[in-house]
Amino acid sequence: EVQLVESGGNLVKPGGSLRLSCAASGFTFDSYTINWVRQAPGEGLEWVSSISGSSRYIYYADSVKGRFTISRDNAKNSVFLQMNSLRAEDTAVYYCAREGGYYYQSSGYYCFDYWGQGTPVTVSS
Amino acid sequence: DIQMTQSPSSLSASVGDRVTITCRASQSIGNYLNWYQHKSGKAPKVLIYAASSLQSGVPSRFSGSGSGTDFTLTISSLQPEDFATYYCQQSYNAPGTFGQGTKLEIK
Repeated sequence: EVQLVESGGNLVKPGGSLRLSCAASGFTFDSYTINWVRQAPGEGLEWVSSISGSSRYIYYADSVKGRFTISRDNAKNSVFLQMNSLRAEDTAVYYCAREGGYYYQSSGYYCFDYWGQGTPVTVSS
Repeated sequence: DIQMTQSPSSLSASVGDRVTITCRASQSIGNYLNWYQHKSGKAPKVLIYAASSLQSGVPSRFSGSGSGTDFTLTISSLQPEDFATYYCQQSYNAPGTFGQGTKLEIK
């Protein structure tokens, strides 16, 4: 069974740092891109960052570029999100999600096919 | 980045109703469009990928259509467990931007 479990969320002051973890099981971890997606209170889903299976391809949303760093340890089936210089607007539930590839009518597609339950981050003084 | 716009933002409906949610992309994305269901406190769940392909295990009352810039998610007969927020997401290029969501509430 595919499982993704986030941890590390907490209350932190503005300007502070936090490291989120996403522990995966039930699939060949290093074959999949993993994403971080967040949902601020009363808002919709916002894609934050992604890392390919080999860590070769890494992307960030403009809103977090230069402050957040994504990484992974394939030996430990884990992905991490190091969050620095945190702001009030980073307050959200953070989800990790697997990017699954599918074929349909001879073409390849991807979607976020498995998600964790999320870990809450609150940035407040 | 490609912008995704959903309508309506919220919708009230009754059990048994047929419901349609619309998603529009700021540029053509072919059929690289996913739909998700999200219930408060739970992990989001993918319903449809490639605009119209039903993810394994998703009930057949859910269907998707469209291509280019305009897409729809249809629930043919609402069930109590369908009341949730629905999001579209383009997978045409990175980043995979989401629509702002459509909250489906019980009338």
